[in-house]
Amino acid sequence: KAGVTQTPRYLIKTRGQQVTLSCSPISGHRSVSWYQQTPGQGLQFLFEYFSETQRNKGNFPGRFSGRQFSNSRSEMNVSTLELGDSALYLCASRQPTLGNEQFFGPGTRLTVL
Amino acid sequence: GENVGLHLPTLSVQEGDNSIINCAYSNSASDYFIWYKQESGKGPQFIIDIRSNMDKRQGQRVTVLLNKTVKHLSLQIAATQPGDSAVYFCAENSGGYQKVTFGIGTKLQVIP
Repeated sequence: KAGVTQTPRYLIKTRGQQVTLSCSPISGHRSVSWYQQTPGQGLQFLFEYFSETQRNKGNFPGRFSGRQFSNSRSEMNVSTLELGDSALYLCASRQPTLGNEQFFGPGTRLTVL
Repeated sequence: GENVGLHLPTLSVQEGDNSIINCAYSNSASDYFIWYKQESGKGPQFIIDIRSNMDKRQGQRVTVLLNKTVKHLSLQIAATQPGDSAVYFCAENSGGYQKVTFGIGTKLQVIP
């Protein structure tokens, strides 16, 4: 079974631009969570989607948004990029009926110049 | 908000020795704790978890201890191997949904 995939793996943007990141969960997993990882703050929870509905949200500004499609694939969007948005964005999937274990993708490295 | 933090940012251990990685948490309502391992260039990988109604859980070469009195979590790795070199995160979950709070992480360096 294929693992969680994220595209693109690397991305360079400039301030003020917007970006869309994509995550394909493990087949059969209906929950997708997004995290931001930076050296100073560690892993911070952005939001979780389940069956196309946002179930939980972290403490990030409204510039960060997401959605989930009927096939459980998820996208994350960041608008009006700031330098501080440079980070590794990780996606994790799980199937709640199978337990709490999350499976992480390799992440998308976003650099904002 | 509530924080999960780590005492030691870097831990160096001789190959074959046991490793102990510590973690403090502040949310007394947390009912589920997880340890993750993250190798360079990869996403975090689940190692072991423990529920708040337990104080110890063992896996293959790993043991997690939970002390709710002092809000402390530890990960013990027996016979540490070079492949154990990574950053280790503890995380807590205080709700039914996967709103997981992570610490900054501890880097484990295994000396051959």
